[in-house]
Amino acid sequence: KNEVEQSPQNLTAQEGEFITINCSYSVGISALHWLQQHPGGGIVSLFMLSSGKKKHGRLIATINIQEKHSSLHITASHPRDSAVYICAVSGDDMRFGAGTRLTVKP
Amino acid sequence: DTGVSQNPRHKITKRGQNVTFRCDPISEHNRLYWYRQTLGQGPEFLTYFQNEAQLEKSRLLSDRFSAERPKGSFSTLEIQRTEQGDSAMYLCASSPYSRAGGTYEQFFGPGTRLTVL
Repeated sequence: KNEVEQSPQNLTAQEGEFITINCSYSVGISALHWLQQHPGGGIVSLFMLSSGKKKHGRLIATINIQEKHSSLHITASHPRDSAVYICAVSGDDMRFGAGTRLTVKP
Repeated sequence: DTGVSQNPRHKITKRGQNVTFRCDPISEHNRLYWYRQTLGQGPEFLTYFQNEAQLEKSRLLSDRFSAERPKGSFSTLEIQRTEQGDSAMYLCASSPYSRAGGTYEQFFGPGTRLTVL
């Protein structure tokens, strides 16, 4: 069993839909990260959080430390949100989930 | 551009050849990380440096892999006697670090895609 599990693996949505991606982890962490990876490989950090909730534009990330669970929400999804979203947890190194491939159709 | 840069962006080599990749981190970042990502998977940790010291190596890093960061600035990752299974995207990231503690965001480079024929 991987230390970081994401669901779903693939997600297709219509433009405007509310999207949720889930992440569960089984190790102790100092922080949890949500990353976005576009075709071609570049990775961009969206959020780093260790408690509670963060919001940036249409993106919201939450974490429940007791349950070792985090969610990434996208409100009013848009085709440009299409990418792979990766959950990662950090201590001294970083351990990654396999990613969720999101496709938003116009 | 003051982000993390990696060179080359793509490398095609024949099995058995040696390859070397370079990563230039953000200049004030003292931590540098190497990851490997295969198709359809998330990245996997390989190793990291704090300044010039290599602090941790994954068991994924076989004897054919070596990484250096000689002056605490840029880093190189060398793979000797490449195998087809080494084909992957090799990602570099950097972050600041303080002895006072805390967790810092990592900034990723664009990656080097290696294809071993």
